Amino acid sequence: NAGVTQTPKFQVLKTGQSMTLQCAQDMNHNSMYWYRQDPGMGLRLIYYSASEGTTDKGEVPNGYNVSRLNKREFSLRLESAAPSQTSVYFCASLMGPTNTGELFFGEGSRLTVL
Amino acid sequence: GQQLNQSPQSMFIQEGEDVSMNCTSSSIFNTWLWYKQDPGEGPVLLIALYKAGELTSNGRLTAQFGITRKDSFLNISASIPSDVGIYFCAGRVGGGSQGNLIFGKGTKLSVKP
Repeated sequence: NAGVTQTPKFQVLKTGQSMTLQCAQDMNHNSMYWYRQDPGMGLRLIYYSASEGTTDKGEVPNGYNVSRLNKREFSLRLESAAPSQTSVYFCASLMGPTNTGELFFGEGSRLTVL
Repeated sequence: GQQLNQSPQSMFIQEGEDVSMNCTSSSIFNTWLWYKQDPGEGPVLLIALYKAGELTSNGRLTAQFGITRKDSFLNISASIPSDVGIYFCAGRVGGGSQGNLIFGKGTKLSVKP
């Protein structure tokens, strides 16, 4: 059982380039999330999808777009990467009800923007 | 917005010592979760708490949901080198339909053999 799988695990971009981070979960969870982790900042929510077909902004959505392709997959796109988007990105899915459930995380995607 | 204050930010302890860390907030939460993140990995759930006053153990780990619903603590007994990592608390505010968790900034634990 793979859980939450993210690709790629590492990526280096130049300023202005675009890329998409892919996430897939095989646990049949309804809700999926994208976080970024920066030193001293903890985990900050970028976007989430409470169910297939819906997406909503989190705490730090600027510069990002998301697509909930189906129940399994939730992608994060950077249209024009900036050095401030250098970070570790985590995808997560939620087991259980949205008001009490537990998040399960992928292993992370480490992005550097030069 | 809601904030979680997690302390301490970092700890350097000797193997065998007990560890205590906590999270506090001015907001009331209906769920507290504790995660551990190993270097280069994603956070892994350690303990989940759902009721005020609840005390739950997972091996050498014990966590409690504060009676005021505004805080939680995590204790690790008899620490070992593999306890090294960053520990995060996460809380969910009651009544929300989105289910979004708010994370503390983490406690970085270092264990000297």
